Amino acid sequence: DIQVTQSPSTLSASVGDRVTITCRASQSISRWLAWYQQKPGKAPKLLIYRASNLESGVPSRFSGSGSGTEFTLTISSLQPDDFATYYCQQYNSYRFGQGTKLEIK
Amino acid sequence: QVQLVQSGAEVKKPGASVRVSCKTSGYTFTAYYTHWVRQAPGQGLEWMGWINPNSGGTHYAQKFQGSVTMTRDTSITTAYMELSRLRSDDTAVYYCARGGTYSFDHWGQGTLVTVSS
Repeated sequence: DIQVTQSPSTLSASVGDRVTITCRASQSISRWLAWYQQKPGKAPKLLIYRASNLESGVPSRFSGSGSGTEFTLTISSLQPDDFATYYCQQYNSYRFGQGTKLEIK
Repeated sequence: QVQLVQSGAEVKKPGASVRVSCKTSGYTFTAYYTHWVRQAPGQGLEWMGWINPNSGGTHYAQKFQGSVTMTRDTSITTAYMELSRLRSDDTAVYYCARGGTYSFDHWGQGTLVTVSS
């Protein structure tokens, strides 16, 4: 079973910062990776699919990159609404990363 | 618009079963797999399995084989997830999600299942 390791588990940042979250797969998953944002008490929301494709309606400050075993989610300039928990998901066996909680510094 | 609306919160005793429903609308129900994901309090997302609404075929994560059953009723575009032999560590929010080609692109609002004696 393909494992995904997400880092960091917690990230403290300020409004306007550029932040990057990493997801590593235990073996190549090509570009079969998605990123989600989850706020407390809410369902996850799709941000990025197929590693780098922005879901409709998602602000362009979000971007994804990578292929094979290493992937990144970047937020170019943090906005107050972006403080949330982020998950990657490998879409071969649907396993999720452990999550990254993005906190206000 | 695509919508997945789940049934309400449940409280169950250990050893009991629970069935959660996921009523879909706004798309062709049989054209997309329905997945189930759970989230224990303060924890991450855990994929449980999928059902192909067209054929009724299912695939469950190994952890849930033998305890979960996913079904559907195409006449009312609704998917169901039944979890049996409940334990306290099954306390979680259970989500249904539409399985697109590359991601889970729409999610239900979640159903809290509490297992307590």
